[in-house]
Amino acid sequence: QVTLRESGPALVEPKETLTLTCTFSGFLLSTSGVSVSWIRQPPGKALEWLARFDWDDETFYSPSLKTRLTISKDTSKSQVVLRMTKMDPVDTGTYYCVRTNDLDAFDVWGQGTMVTVAS
Amino acid sequence: QAVLTQPPSVSGTPGQRVTISCSGSSSNIGDNYVFWYQQFPGTAPKLLIYRSDRRPSGVPDRFSGSTSGTSASLAISGLRSEDEADYYCAAWDDSLSGFWVFGGGTKLTVL
Repeated sequence: QVTLRESGPALVEPKETLTLTCTFSGFLLSTSGVSVSWIRQPPGKALEWLARFDWDDETFYSPSLKTRLTISKDTSKSQVVLRMTKMDPVDTGTYYCVRTNDLDAFDVWGQGTMVTVAS
Repeated sequence: QAVLTQPPSVSGTPGQRVTISCSGSSSNIGDNYVFWYQQFPGTAPKLLIYRSDRRPSGVPDRFSGSTSGTSASLAISGLRSEDEADYYCAAWDDSLSGFWVFGGGTKLTVL
């Protein structure tokens, strides 16, 4: 069974750096065609893709957030980590960790973790 | 501001057929597959349609996807009350270094 679980702080102060960890099981990130993405959703608003870590260690970022994001993996722990610098209240929302399968679909989603940016 | 354009809301009565449109450009829908996701309040989205017109196992055949040029559509036939949810389209965009784009979401109300 494929599962992903997000973890990280529920509250972050403005200008601080957010670090979110995605712990996954049931698949290998080294499998051809597989990747893990981070997607966020502000309260009452649309989904927004942030970043992706591919099976071959290639990374992709949202152009509008690229300068603030870093995505990495810890193979030994089956984890993908997202760092977002200079947090602002507009970054408040639910952050999802999602697997992309070899058909390019976001096929398995984590439950999401709510992050509030406030002082 | 979402890159893909969807109507904010659509509605229909039980048994009806409704469609949700998704408009993009040559760098995303015009050149890549479209994916559709269904989201109920307070839950994570669920894959509904992949590679423009394919359904994952377990998704009823009442749901269908299609594309034409730089636009895509999700059709729901035999509308049921449990279909009331938010629907999002998504596609890979080839511009710059490549990135995923989503639509702004469409709220489906079953009257």
